[in-house]
Amino acid sequence: NAGVTQTPKFRVLKTGQSMTLLCAQDMNHEYMYWYRQDPGMGLRLIHYSVGEGTTAKGEVPDGYNVSRLKKQNFLLGLESAAPSQTSVYFCASSSTFPRGAPSYEQYFGPGTRLTVT
Amino acid sequence: AQSVTQLDSQVPVFEEAPVELRCNYSSSVSVYLFWYVQYPNQGLQLLLKYLSGSTLVKGINGFEAEFNKSQTSFHLRKPSVHISDTAEYFCAAKRQSGNTPLVFGKGTRLSVIA
Repeated sequence: NAGVTQTPKFRVLKTGQSMTLLCAQDMNHEYMYWYRQDPGMGLRLIHYSVGEGTTAKGEVPDGYNVSRLKKQNFLLGLESAAPSQTSVYFCASSSTFPRGAPSYEQYFGPGTRLTVT
Repeated sequence: AQSVTQLDSQVPVFEEAPVELRCNYSSSVSVYLFWYVQYPNQGLQLLLKYLSGSTLVKGINGFEAEFNKSQTSFHLRKPSVHISDTAEYFCAAKRQSGNTPLVFGKGTRLSVIA
């Protein structure tokens, strides 16, 4: 049981380049999230998904797109990277109907450190 | 809209001293409350959560937090810290109704000094 995994761990992009970050979870969770973490800003929600084939905007969605074609995967895309997107990106997942008492706990991946020059 | 405020961005404390990390939330509806910890170069892990019941919640690594509805606070405490507690701590809130995501505070960096 790997939990939440993220690929890649590190990436350096030039302004204008595109890339896709992959998040995978093996806990059969319905919900998945993408956050960015910047110094002094905490975690800010970019996009999230309440189930396969559905996505929704979070607090800072501009410049990013997402897709949830399979329940276990949540992709974050940058079509034209900008230096302002230099950040650490975290993926998380949670269940909607946990067995027993509800926990609403979000499980986080290890992060992807992205630098845009 | 709900928001979470962590009143201290950095808290230095000597080893074996007590510590309190402060968290206040604002919401027009009832919320669940959480504390997460992030060790250097790692993701976040859940320390403890308040869903209902006793207002004093115990978590992992000797941490506890108290939910105070009248003061809209959820402060995190530990009676005696260790060097290994050095990390960033995030308070988070989630609306009890609906399937809305967590809202995080900006974090408090706890530095334990030997």
